[in-house]
Amino acid sequence: AQSVSQHNHHVILSEAASLELGCNYSYGGTVNLFWYVQYPGQHLQLLLKYFSGDPLVKGIKGFEAEFIKSKFSFNLRKPSVQWSDTAEYFCAPPGMYSGGGADGLTFGKGTHLIIQP
Amino acid sequence: GAVVSQHPSWVICKSGTSVKIECRSLDFQATTMFWYRQFPKQSLMLMATSNEGSKATYEQGVEKDKFLINHASLTLSTLTVTSAHPEDSSFYICSAPRKRVGDTQYFGPGTRLTVL
Repeated sequence: AQSVSQHNHHVILSEAASLELGCNYSYGGTVNLFWYVQYPGQHLQLLLKYFSGDPLVKGIKGFEAEFIKSKFSFNLRKPSVQWSDTAEYFCAPPGMYSGGGADGLTFGKGTHLIIQP
Repeated sequence: GAVVSQHPSWVICKSGTSVKIECRSLDFQATTMFWYRQFPKQSLMLMATSNEGSKATYEQGVEKDKFLINHASLTLSTLTVTSAHPEDSSFYICSAPRKRVGDTQYFGPGTRLTVL
């Protein structure tokens, strides 16, 4: 089964600091990975996704993630965070529709990010 | 983009009563929908897979008689929490994949259930 793990559960940063949130996967074969974000009081949104090709993926709001196969990692980064980035961040295999159906997502435990003004 | 709605957005009920939560795909058909629950400060946990026209599939440890799922149409799945207890208080979220190969799933805004 596809599974991921996140090792930063609570992160507190000041505005303008750089961010890196870790995500490691533990399955073989074709690797596809997503990062989701849940802002306070809002529903889950897709931040960025990796399917294949360029291992450096750009997402919304200045976020990016790099897929490093040798390290089984897909870490989320942002060079300069803003107060509005305060949210929960979840890494997940995509559970995407493959033609024969789709699977429910197995999320990482999530990272609660707090940005202090 | 694809939109998934949930109703109600929040509900407060007395212990022992049943609560129905609806999940709708507004602009696409979804033969499969997923139900998750999220406890405070925790991740989303998959509860069950709702299948249009057939029985739902439940994850290990989820009581199917307590969490009744009905996928009445290609755009609607309902989750009924029967005989609710305070420990059922949680945030319930549904998602639906659009039938495009490689497409992601789309999440509803969630329903906050509080059982007194």
